[in-house]
Amino acid sequence: AQKITQTQPGMFVQEKEAVTLDCTYDTSDPSYGLFWYKQPSSGEMIFLIYQGSYDQQNATEGRYSLNFQKARKSANLVISASQLGDSAMYFCAMREGYGTGTASKLTFGTGTRLQVTL
Amino acid sequence: GAVVSQHPSRVICKSGTSVKIECRSLDFQATTMFWYRQFPKQSLMLMATSNEGSKATYEQGVEKDKFLINHASLTLSTLTVTSAHPEDSSFYICSARDQRAPQPQHFGDGTRLSIL
Repeated sequence: AQKITQTQPGMFVQEKEAVTLDCTYDTSDPSYGLFWYKQPSSGEMIFLIYQGSYDQQNATEGRYSLNFQKARKSANLVISASQLGDSAMYFCAMREGYGTGTASKLTFGTGTRLQVTL
Repeated sequence: GAVVSQHPSRVICKSGTSVKIECRSLDFQATTMFWYRQFPKQSLMLMATSNEGSKATYEQGVEKDKFLINHASLTLSTLTVTSAHPEDSSFYICSARDQRAPQPQHFGDGTRLSIL
């Protein structure tokens, strides 16, 4: 079974509008972390936001917020007030456990390509 | 600024050449670094976990003799693609985790490898 599922291969949003990128995950480990990364066409991976499995509140970082629904195993990324520079690939990722070494490895979803239009 | 430096950013070389890619943590020590491979329009696939002072841990299906990993210091891991062939052409990207601040993993800018 896929550990991280992103069902939207591509999304369009108008500038200044909000957009939600979906992510569901599968794990039996009670301790895990969920990440969102942005990858522009140049290739670098830019960290956006993190949610720990024990965090009581949804994570927020500027225009980014994470809609964490633990019972449904979903961690959707919400981008508010979209900008043209937000056009990129977005990857959801999970780290199982809070350990070090190999326990730190990330498993990535297949990504969603976001296009912001005028 | 960048906290993980990856070099080179792009390599074009002939088939049969061995290529070394470096990944450095710039202002923190990383006992563990990770090497990923990404094909066009696909996700990042973990190849191996690089452990300082010990052998790397390879993911299933990754040839350890093909992709040599050395983590000789707390700030440097290298990936060597030995006797590269066109099918090894890909985007390789490393990451490292700052143990002082567990989140997030920091990524290098990646290396585009093209084997002719």
